[in-house]
Amino acid sequence: GEDVEQSLFLSVREGDSSVINCTYTDSSSTYLYWYKQEPGAGLQLLTYIFSNMDMKQDQRLTVLLNKKDKHLSLRIADTQTGDSAIYFCAEVFTGTASKLTFGTGTRLQVTL
Amino acid sequence: GAVVSQHPSRVICKSGTSVKIECRSLDFQATTMFWYRQFPKKSLMLMATSNEGSKATYEQGVEKDKFLINHASLTLSTLTVTSAHPEDSSFYICSASSGGGGTEAFFGQGTRLTVV
Repeated sequence: GEDVEQSLFLSVREGDSSVINCTYTDSSSTYLYWYKQEPGAGLQLLTYIFSNMDMKQDQRLTVLLNKKDKHLSLRIADTQTGDSAIYFCAEVFTGTASKLTFGTGTRLQVTL
Repeated sequence: GAVVSQHPSRVICKSGTSVKIECRSLDFQATTMFWYRQFPKKSLMLMATSNEGSKATYEQGVEKDKFLINHASLTLSTLTVTSAHPEDSSFYICSASSGGGGTEAFFGQGTRLTVV
C-alpha cells in the first residue's frame, strides 16, 4: 500500500526559512501536492509538482523532488507568522482521478 | 481557483439521529467528488469516491450503510451520517474534481460534526 510520512512538528523563527519533508513509498505517483490547513479549516492547495520534475519555485515556495529517494520537500522562504499551520503532502497515482493519499501532516509553528 | 462550498461548517446532533452534509462545486462541474474524514491531529482518511450518477466506491473499513453518499448532479454530493454515534464525531472534508488522471481537486471548508 501507499505510505506517506512526514515529521510531526517544526518550529522556526519569523524570517527564517522552513523546510518540510515528506517521504513516500510508491513510485508510481504522477503528481505530488502540498496543502496548507489552518485550524478548523479545509485544505488550501499551495503548490504541486509533476513527477518528472525535480524542482518548482513559486514565489516564497520551493518544491524539491528526489524520485530516486522518494523524497519531497517544501521550502518556505522568509517564513511569516501567517504561515503557521499544518502542511500536508499528498500524491496522486495514474488513473485514480485525483484520489489523493495524504501524508501524516507537519505542524509548522512560527515564533517571533 | 475553483470554489467548493461545504455546508454546514459545524453541526451538533443527538445520538441516533442522521446528519446530512452537502458539498457543492460552485463554478465548475465536478465529475468526481471525494469524502475524507480527519481525526484530531491526524491526517485525512479517504472514505469514498463518488462519480456523478454512479454508486460511490467506499474504502476498506468504511460502512456504506452508515455513511450514505449521493452524487446526483455534477455540482452536488451529499454525505449522510446515519444513526450517528459519538465516535462519528470528526471533521469531514469533501473535495471535487472536474477530470481524471491528476487533475487538481478542490477542497471544501470542512464540517465539524459533534454527536452528543
